Amino acid sequence: NAGVTQTPKFQVLKTGQSMTLQCAQDMNHEYMSWYRQDPGMGLRLIHYSVGAGITDQGEVPNGYNVSRSTTEDFPLRLLSAAPSQTSVYFCASSPRGGGPYEQYFGPGTRLTVT
Amino acid sequence: QKEVEQDPGPLSVPEGAIVSLNCTYSNSAFQYFMWYRQYSRKGPELLMYTYSSGNKEDGRFTAQVDKSSKYISLFIRDSQPSDSATYLCAMGRNTGGFKTIFGAGTRLFVKA
Repeated sequence: NAGVTQTPKFQVLKTGQSMTLQCAQDMNHEYMSWYRQDPGMGLRLIHYSVGAGITDQGEVPNGYNVSRSTTEDFPLRLLSAAPSQTSVYFCASSPRGGGPYEQYFGPGTRLTVT
Repeated sequence: QKEVEQDPGPLSVPEGAIVSLNCTYSNSAFQYFMWYRQYSRKGPELLMYTYSSGNKEDGRFTAQVDKSSKYISLFIRDSQPSDSATYLCAMGRNTGGFKTIFGAGTRLFVKA
């Protein structure tokens, strides 16, 4: 199993551009989440999904959209990039019942917005 | 007040030392308590989790939860240079919606 994969690894955007961060998992996990990690702030939940077709907002959802059409994929869309969205983004997945405590993280995407 | 407080360190110890890492939290609704390890420029990896109060041991690692004090700890025995990483505490619940919060992490250096 590849586990949780994320693409791209690095990205530089200009203010106002849009892009999609990709996340896929091959563990048949029901839960998937997106976090951002900033220095001194810890991981903060952006959006999460408890199954295909079901998504909900986390702690810092503004400026981001998600959808989940399949169990495997959970893309994160930045609608109009801002410098405040410069961060490292992690996708995570959890098996049924393990959502809050058994999360498997991808390698991350480092995003810089200029 | 932050929901979880974790000393960022860095914490530097000699090889073989016992390491103690701690977090405090404010919301008594959390049911699950986790420790993740994160190497530089990598994603966090789950070390261990506990449900409610008590101790849990896994090899050289012991997690303790004191819900009455809202205090959790991770002890690493016989620390190794390969333990050098950032350790993130986390708390979670699945009642009233899925929620997990993370501490900012403590950087640990184990010197050979």
